[in-house]
Amino acid sequence: SAVISQKPSRDICQRGTSLTIQCQVDSQVTMMFWYRQQPGQSLTLIATANQGSEATYESGFVIDKFPISRPNLTFSTLTVSNMSPEDSSIYLCSVATGYSGNTIYFGEGSWLTVV
Amino acid sequence: GDSVTQMEGPVTLSEEAFLTINCTYTATGYPSLFWYVQYPGEGLQLLLKATKADDKGSNKGFEATYRKETTSFHLEKGSVQVSDSAVYFCALSDTGGFKTIFGAGTRLFVKA
Repeated sequence: SAVISQKPSRDICQRGTSLTIQCQVDSQVTMMFWYRQQPGQSLTLIATANQGSEATYESGFVIDKFPISRPNLTFSTLTVSNMSPEDSSIYLCSVATGYSGNTIYFGEGSWLTVV
Repeated sequence: GDSVTQMEGPVTLSEEAFLTINCTYTATGYPSLFWYVQYPGEGLQLLLKATKADDKGSNKGFEATYRKETTSFHLEKGSVQVSDSAVYFCALSDTGGFKTIFGAGTRLFVKA
């Protein structure tokens, strides 16, 4: 398993501003991911954070809006840029462990409200 | 593409009732299957998993069996408690990849 810490846990943000979420893992992991969970919805994968290279974004998500850094095997950041109320969501960092039967573990999430 | 379909909620049960939450999937290859739980105001926790056909995952009194013939992974518990009130997500990750696909989630309310 893996222990994942996210900061901030909650924040209220002004529209038009940007916020960076940090994700720290207690062990080195190859795969790190960022998900979004909009109110009352399921999880949607934003991107895969690749160590030493650019993140791989899913359809509907772009680097300009959600820049991601992955400087090493235990840390990643997600920035939500130029926020609008539609960005109010839980943002979750996750990691994959194991080769077969990959299991995804999640951080507690960062609950953002944009006003 | 791969997908996961869960029964719609909310599901409301009395304490000590039997719980079933249905989950079916479509996937190429041999996915691993998971149930995650999200308690109110918290993040997601892995509840149980199964990595191959006929495997049974179990944890905290919950069980689910990987049924390849029916492409199902239904979650069951023999006697629910108020503390089981949460949203339950069925998910799969495909063989050879690391992407996890989630169902829509099923909210469970357990009344005392």
